[in-house]
Parts: sequence; C-alpha cells; structure tokens
Amino acid sequence: DIQMTQSPASLSASLEEIVTITCQASQDIGNYLSWYQQKPGKSPQLLIHSATSLADGVPSRFSGSRSGTQYSLKINRLQVEDTGIYYCLQHYSAPWTFGGGTKLELK
Amino acid sequence: EVQLVESGGGLVQPGRSLKLSCAASGFTFSNYYMAWVRQAPKKGLEWVATISTSGSRTYYPDSVKGRFTISRDNAKSSLYLQMNSLKSEDTATYYCARSTGSWDYWGQGVMVTVSS
Repeated sequence: DIQMTQSPASLSASLEEIVTITCQASQDIGNYLSWYQQKPGKSPQLLIHSATSLADGVPSRFSGSRSGTQYSLKINRLQVEDTGIYYCLQHYSAPWTFGGGTKLELK
Repeated sequence: EVQLVESGGGLVQPGRSLKLSCAASGFTFSNYYMAWVRQAPKKGLEWVATISTSGSRTYYPDSVKGRFTISRDNAKSSLYLQMNSLKSEDTATYYCARSTGSWDYWGQGVMVTVSS
C-alpha cells in the first residue's frame, strides 16, 4: 500500500501569512494527488486535483505543487475562512490512501 | 447543481447488517465512478469502496473486503453500500463521493454507530 505522510499535523498561523502543508508519498504516484479542506461538522471539499490544478470555485490563494514524491499545498495570505483540517489523497493505485491531516488554526 | 444525499445510517449491534444509500442528482450519474469514504469520530478519512460506471468493477481496502459490498442503480441514480458483519471499528460517518480521479463532490454524510 502507498503511504502518505502529511506534515505538520497541526499549524497555527496569522492572518495574511503564507502557509505550506506537505505530503510525502512512499512511492511514485505521478500527479494522482488531490487536496481537500474539511470544516467542523462538514464534508470534505476538493481544493486541488492532479497535484497542481485548482478545483472549480476555489480561491486563487490556494495552489499545489510537486517535487518528485513530495507534494505541497500552499495558501497565500491566509484568511479566517481557511481554518479547518486539510487532507491529501493519492488515487494512483488502490487502496486509495489519505494523509493523516493537518489542522490549521488562526494564531 | 450536483447533490449527493446519503441515508440509512443509525445504531446497529455488532455482527448485524446495514445498507446505506446515496441519491445523486444534478449530473449524469451513469458517467461517473462513485465511492464511499468514512471518518471515525475525531479521526481522519478512510476510503471504503469504489465502483465503476457500469458496476462491473468494484474495489475495497482489506479492512472491509468480504464484509462490505458497493453497488449502484444507474436507472435510479443511486449508490449503495451493504455492510455486513459490522464491527465497533466501523463506527463512522460515511460519505458518498463522485469520482473524477479525485473526488469532486461529496454528500453531507450519514452516521453509523456499531454498539451493543
């Protein structure tokens, strides 16, 4: 099974700050990586697909990048509504696996 | 507008069965793979099952293989998850999701509690 190691597990940042969350895949998954945001009591929402493509309706301050088997989600100019838990997902091969999540809070 | 609405959750005893449903609308259901994903209380997300457009191919992680069955009725735009031999560790919120590789739309989730 492909392991997705996500870091950090939690993060506290200030408004307007730049935030970066990373996922390390245990093997090559190409661009079969997506990012999700989940707010308390709500279902996850797709932010980034294909490692770097912004999902429809997602603010442009969100971006995804890839370097080998390391994937990053970057939030430029953090806003209040960006708090929540973020997950990466690899859908290169079954079993599809999520990272452990990053809880993002405002400082 | 794409909508996915799950139903069928509740409290069930260990070893018993439960069937979840997901009603889809706002898109051509038969054109998409569909999936079930679950989240135990205060835990992360776990993929549970995926089904192909026709239903001929299904995929499961080892944790539910042999106990859970995903199915679909394209005429009714509905997705199902039959869960047998339920265990306490199956307690979770279950989401259905539309698959385009990534999962672009999710339902609101339905809670399943396995307890005596």
